[in-house]
Amino acid sequence: GAVVSQHPSWVICKSGTSVKIECRSLDFQATTMFWYRQFPKQSLMLMATSNEGSKATYEQGVEKDKFLINHASLTLSTLTVTSAHPEDSSFYICSASTQSGNTIYFGEGSWLTVV
Amino acid sequence: EDKVVQSPLSLVVHEGDTVTLNCSYEVTNFRSLLWYKQEKKAPTFLFMLTSSGIEKKSGRLSSILDKKELFSILNITATQTGDSAVYLCAPLSNSGYALNFGKGTSLLVTP
Repeated sequence: GAVVSQHPSWVICKSGTSVKIECRSLDFQATTMFWYRQFPKQSLMLMATSNEGSKATYEQGVEKDKFLINHASLTLSTLTVTSAHPEDSSFYICSASTQSGNTIYFGEGSWLTVV
Repeated sequence: EDKVVQSPLSLVVHEGDTVTLNCSYEVTNFRSLLWYKQEKKAPTFLFMLTSSGIEKKSGRLSSILDKKELFSILNITATQTGDSAVYLCAPLSNSGYALNFGKGTSLLVTP
């Protein structure tokens, strides 16, 4: 079964609204989680590193005020896409590593469509 | 800057063929090289390679790493239509667990 759960799997929202995506580690504690975005026919692109109890670290070109990341507990990180626009429509995936770092698990991903 | 180049970008083969997918990488403080298979949703883990020259096998899939040449290959023998997917590689550094993926190889196995 999944060890990293993402919710929702699919979401459609109106342009200008905000949408929250959750990423949970089910069987382990993850002090660090990662958020990726994937546009059609492109590879996964790292957006940000989510650190429990502190601010997220964003990759170059990713707007921190638009993609709000909160990692309030050792098993939950959330990504909020604020004031969503159609160009934000994409596949968003989170990942988390076990404490040993031997395995990196991905969530099932969330398809966001902004209309 | 870290870099990952995969080749070929796409490949079409017939069932039963053997394929070799390539991944070259540049990363600071290399720790491991990971391979993933991505179908319609999130990537599924295939291999983590840390040492040079040691082949890892899982059924018809195998992979090997060359840390001197900064290169890894993924072999799939006796391909099946279910192997059709995008195969991604990513180096992992000692500085964290973020993955910078290559563009992937899109494999299509035809009946």
